[in-house]
Amino acid sequence: KQEVTQIPAALSVPEGENLVLNCSFTDSAIYNLQWFRQDPGKGLTSLLLIQSSQREQTSGRLNASLDKSSGRSTLYIAASQPGDSATYLCAVIGGGSEKLVFGKGTKLTVNP
Amino acid sequence: GAGVSQSPSNKVTEKGKDVELRCDPISGHTALYWYRQSLGQGLEFLIYFQGNSAPDKSGLPSDRFSAERTGGSVSTLTIQRTQQEDSAVYLCASSLDTGQRTQYFGPGTRLLVL
Repeated sequence: KQEVTQIPAALSVPEGENLVLNCSFTDSAIYNLQWFRQDPGKGLTSLLLIQSSQREQTSGRLNASLDKSSGRSTLYIAASQPGDSATYLCAVIGGGSEKLVFGKGTKLTVNP
Repeated sequence: GAGVSQSPSNKVTEKGKDVELRCDPISGHTALYWYRQSLGQGLEFLIYFQGNSAPDKSGLPSDRFSAERTGGSVSTLTIQRTQQEDSAVYLCASSLDTGQRTQYFGPGTRLLVL
């Protein structure tokens, strides 16, 4: 059974810092990995999707990497801003499955 | 609208009552997914539809839960005889097709069972 773990559970940083969020998964037979953002009381917004054949994806100040063989992904946020404050969720889809398996998220607070 | 919509946004009900939650996917999206987000469990898959068929119902927690989709569009998740442990946020997502494509999520329905 696929399990996804995110570390740390919470993170507080001053504005302007570069930071890394970590995600690990137990079964390396994934099809893709997605990073989502969730604001309080809101749904999920897809940030980046990495196919299993890819090593990284970039969007603006965000960069996600994937090391499928070791079961790890990182989300790098450059020059953090207070508007980046949210919960970041990592999710994977395994081969042959259509369902996302989520980690429990990292709650990020960026202080002005 | 351009995104996935869900209704109601909030629902408070008494234990033992039935509730229906609705999801309108993005127009043209053939795949639709239901997830549940609760404090202790995080986000869990419930069921997904490809068209009007549900190939994977493995996440439905009990036979009190059922879902249907009609016309390849709107889906309804029904919870019968609600229990307090059913309190959670129910999220719907849609994707252009299956084949592990990007899933786009709605804002969710917050269900509180008293």
